[in-house]
Amino acid sequence: KQEVTQIPAALSVPEGENLVLNCSFTDSAIYNLQWFRQDPGKGLTSLLLIQSSQREQTSGRLNASLDKSSGRSTLYIAASQPGDSATYLCAVRQGDSWGKLQFGAGTQVVVTP
Amino acid sequence: DTEVTQTPKHLVMGMTNKKSLKCEQHMGHRAMYWYKQKAKKPPELMFVYSYEKLSINESVPSRFSPECPNSSLLNLHLHALQPEDSALYLCASSQGDYGELFFGEGSRLTVL
Repeated sequence: KQEVTQIPAALSVPEGENLVLNCSFTDSAIYNLQWFRQDPGKGLTSLLLIQSSQREQTSGRLNASLDKSSGRSTLYIAASQPGDSATYLCAVRQGDSWGKLQFGAGTQVVVTP
Repeated sequence: DTEVTQTPKHLVMGMTNKKSLKCEQHMGHRAMYWYKQKAKKPPELMFVYSYEKLSINESVPSRFSPECPNSSLLNLHLHALQPEDSALYLCASSQGDYGELFFGEGSRLTVL
């Protein structure tokens, strides 16, 4: 059974520092991995999708890497801003019959001015 | 346009009421999902409609009933709910079973 873990559960950094968020999964037979952002009481916003054949994806200040063999993905956010404060979730998609997404519990990030 | 629209944003209902949550997307996606999210927890999958075929999470009680009138619309019918069903209900869609998932803003449900 796939388990997805995000450590740390919470993180506080001063504005301008780079953020490094970790995601690990136990079963490397994934189809893809997706990073989301969630603001309090809101829906999830897709940040990046990495296919299992890819090593990384980039969008603006965001960069996500994927090491399938070791069961890890890392989300880097460069030059953090207070607007980056949110909960960040990773989710892996299994290659089963209905492609169920397995979520980690998330990392709550606070960027202080 | 990467938008999934959910209505209503907030819903308060008694345990004997019948209500529905609605979801719409115009991205041409053929898979639509209902998720339930409790505070400080990740979303839990309830139902998937993929090419209008339904898959069910077996742990979801029968007081929740999904409906997919067409490939752009998804409803969740609620009947005889319990206070523990109070949560944020999220709709999502993707292009096919393995595509990038896009979520709506959610419907906050409170059961009294």
